[in-house]
Amino acid sequence: EVQLMESGGGLVQPGRSLRLSCTTSGFIFGDYAMTWFRQAPGKGLEWVGFIRIKPYGATTEYAASVKGRFIISRDDSKSIAYLQMDSLKIEDTAMYYCSRGPGGIPFDYWGQGTLVTVSS
Amino acid sequence: QTVVTQEPSLTVSPGGTVTLTCASSTGAVTSGHYPNWFQQKPGQAPRALIFSTTTKYSWTPARFSGSLLGGKAALTLSGVQPEDEAEYYCLLYYGGVRVFGGGTKLTVL
Repeated sequence: EVQLMESGGGLVQPGRSLRLSCTTSGFIFGDYAMTWFRQAPGKGLEWVGFIRIKPYGATTEYAASVKGRFIISRDDSKSIAYLQMDSLKIEDTAMYYCSRGPGGIPFDYWGQGTLVTVSS
Repeated sequence: QTVVTQEPSLTVSPGGTVTLTCASSTGAVTSGHYPNWFQQKPGQAPRALIFSTTTKYSWTPARFSGSLLGGKAALTLSGVQPEDEAEYYCLLYYGGVRVFGGGTKLTVL
């Protein structure tokens, strides 16, 4: 059974950092790109970015709103994707979701999300 | 800054048909934007319904269909059920990055 679980969320002050994890099971992690999404309270979904698989250099793409502050990485040996969030802003407050893809059947499985609150 | 536009809200009667659309500020939406559609109910994670314009996931009910319509991506619900009341989001691909529409709140009344 395919499972994804986000963790690492919490309350953090503006300007500080936080690292989220997306722990997966039930599929060959190294065969899938991994994507992060977020949703601010009461707002719509936002694509944050994704990381390609190792044969494609594990390269990344980011939304303009987080580029230069967020870094996505992966540890294929642990089947975990990470979202390192630096220089956090109040507007980064959101539920953060991970999903597998794009590629193959994209975004078919999602975690339940982890809440990040940026506040002083 | 690319903007993807959806109807903010639509209302449909049970058993009726409704089409939600997804427009791009860069021009016509094509299959090259690989339109994805998602359904989200309150307090839940999004659930994917359609990818690559028209392809359904294994769990997507037959009453949902995706298409390109008049330069937009479209999601049509035929024979709407009360449980289809939800927020619907489209997601478009722009050469590496992806952008969501603002979402359509579908009310079944």
